[in-house]
Amino acid sequence: NAGVTQTPKFRVLKTGQSMTLLCAQDMNHEYMYWYRQDPGMGLRLIHYSVGEGTTAKGEVPDGYNVSRLKKQNFLLGLESAAPSQTSVYFCASSYAMNTEAFFGQGTRLTVV
Amino acid sequence: AQSVTQLGSHVSVSEGALVLLRCNYSSSVPPYLFWYVQYPNQGLQLLLKYTTGATLVKGINGFEAEFKKSETSFHLTKPSAHMSDAAEYFCAVSDYNRDDKIIFGKGTRLHILP
Repeated sequence: NAGVTQTPKFRVLKTGQSMTLLCAQDMNHEYMYWYRQDPGMGLRLIHYSVGEGTTAKGEVPDGYNVSRLKKQNFLLGLESAAPSQTSVYFCASSYAMNTEAFFGQGTRLTVV
Repeated sequence: AQSVTQLGSHVSVSEGALVLLRCNYSSSVPPYLFWYVQYPNQGLQLLLKYTTGATLVKGINGFEAEFKKSETSFHLTKPSAHMSDAAEYFCAVSDYNRDDKIIFGKGTRLHILP
């Protein structure tokens, strides 16, 4: 049982480059989330989805876009990376918004 | 809107000593409360949760937490710390509306002294 899988695990980008982070879950969860984790800031919600074909903004959405074309996948895109987007990114999924969230292993992104 | 405050970004205890990690929340309705643990270079995993019913909740690895409505607290405890408990711990809150988001605290890093 894979749970939540994120790819890639590590990435270094140059300022201005673009990339997409992939999140896949095999638990048939409706809800999926993208968080970023920075020292002393805890987890901050970037975007989330309440079902296939839907997306919504979280706490810190600027500079990111997302898509949920298939129920099991939730993609996070950076169109023009900035050093301020250096962070660890976590994807999570849950049965409902207020129930236990299952997290991926994280993607460590460095923008130079 | 809900919010979570974790007192102390770093807590150090000796191996075998009591672990107490503090969490206070604010919510206008009865909350759902969670504690998650994050080991180095890993994602978060659920330690325990309170939804309704018994206010003392037992979780994995010997941890427990008590929901105290009058104090708006959900402190995490473990009677005897083990070296393997060294990790970062996050308290989180949501309310019973299934479309309300889970709000995480900023985290407390637990250090275990030999």
